[in-house]
Amino acid sequence: LAKTTQPISMDSYEGQEVNITCSHNNIATNDYITWYQQFPSQGPRFIIQGYKTKVTNEVASLFIPADRKSSTLSLPRVSLSDTAVYYCLVGDMFSGGYNKLIFGAGTRLAVHP
Amino acid sequence: DGGITQSPKYLFRKEGQNVTLSCEQNLNHDAMYWYRQDPGQGLRLIYYSQIVNDFQKGDIAEGYSVSREKKESFPLTVTSAQKNPTAFYLCASSIGVGDTEAFFGQGTRLTVV
Repeated sequence: LAKTTQPISMDSYEGQEVNITCSHNNIATNDYITWYQQFPSQGPRFIIQGYKTKVTNEVASLFIPADRKSSTLSLPRVSLSDTAVYYCLVGDMFSGGYNKLIFGAGTRLAVHP
Repeated sequence: DGGITQSPKYLFRKEGQNVTLSCEQNLNHDAMYWYRQDPGQGLRLIYYSQIVNDFQKGDIAEGYSVSREKKESFPLTVTSAQKNPTAFYLCASSIGVGDTEAFFGQGTRLTVV
């Protein structure tokens, strides 16, 4: 099973770039890396997904080195509304084709004025 | 609009009573999931289903039961055997095999008194 390790919490200030790194040493060949964002009392929301190198969308960038044992979510110029919990997870396939989404504890990002 | 709907948003029950949480999706997704979240904690997987009439236990299935009679519906019953049922419950769905982009409902906050 591919498992992930992230920092428990991070602090930043408005306008700064935030980089959250996730370790996934046992990632499998067919696994994708996915990041979610969760605000209090809401369900998580998909942010970005990638397999290798770099992926960018209107919300964030995802950097994945060649060995794929880690990934970094980059949030450019954060605002107070980016205060949330961020989860890193990898696709988890079992025999029989089941896909079980395993969420770790996530990283609690606090953005300060 | 396509989406995933959980109801009710808030639920109160007396200790010892079974309670069923509803989850409906119109995204035509094959896979559905139930998670539990306690205050300040990450998501823990209760049950998941890949296809109709089939489901698998997650990490904390004891005291819970599910059914998947229709593709669109994946209700969760919290039974009296669950020792500490008060929590925030989240339902999610994804296209299916290998897909880690999941869509979440808004959650049901269950309080047992």
